[in-house]
Amino acid sequence: KAGVTQTPRYLIKTRGQQVTLSCSPISGHRSVSWYQQTPGQGLQFLFEYFSETQRNKGNFPGRFSGRQFSNSRSEMNVSTLELGDSALYLCASSLGLARSTDTQYFGPGTRLTVL
Amino acid sequence: GNSVTQMEGPVTLSEEAFLTINCTYTATGYPSLFWYVQYPGEGLQLLLKATKADDKGSNKGFEATYRKETTSFHLEKGSVQVSDSAVYFCALSDGPTRGNKLVFGAGTILRVKS
Repeated sequence: KAGVTQTPRYLIKTRGQQVTLSCSPISGHRSVSWYQQTPGQGLQFLFEYFSETQRNKGNFPGRFSGRQFSNSRSEMNVSTLELGDSALYLCASSLGLARSTDTQYFGPGTRLTVL
Repeated sequence: GNSVTQMEGPVTLSEEAFLTINCTYTATGYPSLFWYVQYPGEGLQLLLKATKADDKGSNKGFEATYRKETTSFHLEKGSVQVSDSAVYFCALSDGPTRGNKLVFGAGTILRVKS
């Protein structure tokens, strides 16, 4: 079974631009979560989508948004990029069971650099 | 809120040495606990998990036991290899009624010398 895929793997943008990242979950998984990884803040939860609805949200500004399509693929968008948005963005998929035993499987990440 | 604390690294060991990476957590309710590993330039790979107290997760020679009385989930391996060099993250699932958000520790860098 294919794993979680993320595109693109690397992105370079300038301040003020916007960016869209894509994630394809493992076949049969209905939940997609997004995390930001930086050296200073570590791994932080952005949001989770299940059945095309945002089910959970972390403490990030409204510039960070996402959506999920009917085939469970997800995109996240960051508008008005700031230097501090430079990070590795990780997508994780799971069956979507609303209980703590549900296991998340991660993709390779998209490395975003904002200049 | 829920939180995870890991021992600071880097941890440097010689090949075949015994490994322990400490992890303690603070949580309400009954979270599941996970260890993930990240190799350079890659995403996170699930290493092992435990879903209830006294459960032992194991994989590839790594083990961790869910200790509710000490709120710990320490990672151990009897004999490390150079290929085990990576960053290890302890995590807990946060809030079964609000999806399954993961809360991560800061990560521990492991370096194994031959």
